[in-house]
Amino acid sequence: KAGVTQTPRYLIKTRGQQVTLSCSPISGHRSVSWYQQTPGQGLQFLFEYFSETQRNKGNFPGRFSGRQFSNSRSEMNVSTLELGDSALYLCASSYGGRANEKLFFGSGTQLSVL
Amino acid sequence: GESVGLHLPTLSVQEGDNSIINCAYSNSASDYFIWYKQESGKGPQFIIDIRSNMDKRQGQRVTVLLNKTVKHLSLQIAATQPGDSAVYFCAARHNFNKFYFGSGTKLNVKP
Repeated sequence: KAGVTQTPRYLIKTRGQQVTLSCSPISGHRSVSWYQQTPGQGLQFLFEYFSETQRNKGNFPGRFSGRQFSNSRSEMNVSTLELGDSALYLCASSYGGRANEKLFFGSGTQLSVL
Repeated sequence: GESVGLHLPTLSVQEGDNSIINCAYSNSASDYFIWYKQESGKGPQFIIDIRSNMDKRQGQRVTVLLNKTVKHLSLQIAATQPGDSAVYFCAARHNFNKFYFGSGTKLNVKP
């Protein structure tokens, strides 16, 4: 079974631009969560989608948005990029039907904002 | 607000020794906990999980202990090997709410 796939692996953008990151969950998984990881900050939760609906949301500004498609694939978008948005963005999937399910993570998209 | 914290940002151990990584959580309603390992350039990898109705769970060379009274979680790694060098995160969740992750402990294994 293929793991969680995130594309692209690396991305370089300039301030003010927007970016779209993609995540394909493990087959059969209906929940997709997004996290931002910066050095020394751990994993900061962005949002979770389950069956195309946002189920949980973190404390990020509205420039960060996401969506999930009927095949459970998810995208997140960051508009008007700022230098502080440089980070590793991780996607995680799970079946989503039970609260005590482990998350499976992708390798992440490393975003650099110049 | 709710938080999860790790006691030490870095832990150095000798190869073959046992390692103990600690974690504290703030929400007494948290009922599911996971430990993850993250190697450089990779996403977090599942190690072991535990539900709040248990206080101990063992895997291969790893044991997770949960003390709900003091809201403390620990990961014990037996006979630590160089391949165990990584950053370790704990995560806590209540029901279907979001997972809260600690900031991570970097484990250095000295040969």
